[in-house]
Amino acid sequence: QVQLVQSGAEVKKPGASVKVSCKASGYTFTFYYMHWVRQAPGQGLEWMGIINPSGGRTTYAQKFQARVKMTIDTSTSTVYMELSSLTSDDTALYYCAREREELVIWGYFQHWGQGTPVTVSS
Amino acid sequence: EILLTQSPGTLSLFPGERATLSCRASQSISSSYLAWYEQKPGQAPRLLIYRASTRATGVPDRFSGSGSGTDFTLTISRLEPEDFAVYYCQQYDSSPYSFGQGTKLEIK
Repeated sequence: QVQLVQSGAEVKKPGASVKVSCKASGYTFTFYYMHWVRQAPGQGLEWMGIINPSGGRTTYAQKFQARVKMTIDTSTSTVYMELSSLTSDDTALYYCAREREELVIWGYFQHWGQGTPVTVSS
Repeated sequence: EILLTQSPGTLSLFPGERATLSCRASQSISSSYLAWYEQKPGQAPRLLIYRASTRATGVPDRFSGSGSGTDFTLTISRLEPEDFAVYYCQQYDSSPYSFGQGTKLEIK
């Protein structure tokens, strides 16, 4: 079955960077686009961007364009999301989320990781 | 960017009742590229509906979606105890993909 297992909780100081991983299993890694979505405490959901695991091409939401980087490691079927210049507003639960269909971008999410809490505090 | 407004913010109902949740978009969503998710405390969202009215795999048929253009509805025909959660709509017509702020469905 499809599994997306994310890395553990992170605590960072303002101005630092964080890198979150998402290890995929149970399907052909390179066939499905992966997204990142975050959720601030008690708040709604916010789409951050998408990566093509076949080749690594990315598209980021304009809000994060200047400080987010999504990468892949096909040898371990892992997707990474790195966010820099952190502020307290970046305190959130970060999810990786996979497209429902292979080889296509629809933009909705059938499978989700368990979420990685990131806390930004001085 | 397409803004989605969900109403009501909180809906209080008894098990067995019918729930109607609304999602309104700031501009028309082409081809009904709208999805609904359910989220329970401490869990990731779960896809319920895509293309406005197509149930995802394993979703009970008491969940149904409808609508087009700017107005969409999620209906739960007879509430089960496990249905009390937060529900989000999401548009995937255009990037950045955006979510509504959520409707909390609580037990009355």
